[in-house]
Amino acid sequence: NAGVTQTPKFQVLKTGQSMTLQCAQDMNHNSMYWYRQDPGMGLRLIYYSASEGTTDKGEVPNGYNVSRLNKREFSLRLESAAPSQTSVYFCASSRGTYRDSPYGYTFGSGTRLTVV
Amino acid sequence: GENVEQHPSTLSVQEGDSAVIKCTYSDSASNYFPWYKQELGKRPQLIIDIRSNVGEKKDQRIAVTLNKTAKHFSLHITETQPEDSAVYFCAGGGADGLTFGKGTHLIIQP
Repeated sequence: NAGVTQTPKFQVLKTGQSMTLQCAQDMNHNSMYWYRQDPGMGLRLIYYSASEGTTDKGEVPNGYNVSRLNKREFSLRLESAAPSQTSVYFCASSRGTYRDSPYGYTFGSGTRLTVV
Repeated sequence: GENVEQHPSTLSVQEGDSAVIKCTYSDSASNYFPWYKQELGKRPQLIIDIRSNVGEKKDQRIAVTLNKTAKHFSLHITETQPEDSAVYFCAGGGADGLTFGKGTHLIIQP
């Protein structure tokens, strides 16, 4: 039982390059989330998915796109990376949906992204 | 949307003393308030949570209290130990998922 798995763990991009961060969970959770963590800013929600086939914007969606490929997988794409997107990215999942009865999140180990 | 404020940003206590971290929230519809602990370079991990129909919850040395009227909740750690040193995040559950506070860096002085 791996929980929430994120790849890659580290990545360096040049400004303008694109990449996709992968996330998969094996806990049969309904909801999945992408957060970014910056020093002094806490965790800020980028996008979330209450269930397979649905996605919604969070607090800081600009510059990102997401895909809920199936119940297990939720990917985050940077189409044209900018230095302001240098951050640590965390994927998370939860058993319940936030609309009905939210449950605690299980986080992945994070992706440390640097855009130069 | 929900707005969660957390204080203090840094808290230094002597080993064995108690530590209290406070959070306020804005959305009266929020009904779920978890606390996460994050050690340096690691993922946030859930340590305790409370739902809006409960005023207090304890788990060994950790307790959380919730005042729905005042829209604030607090984390209490008693008999602090060196392994309690970490960053702690509170969060509030609104219609758009969890909103996190900016974190409190808890330092345990020997």
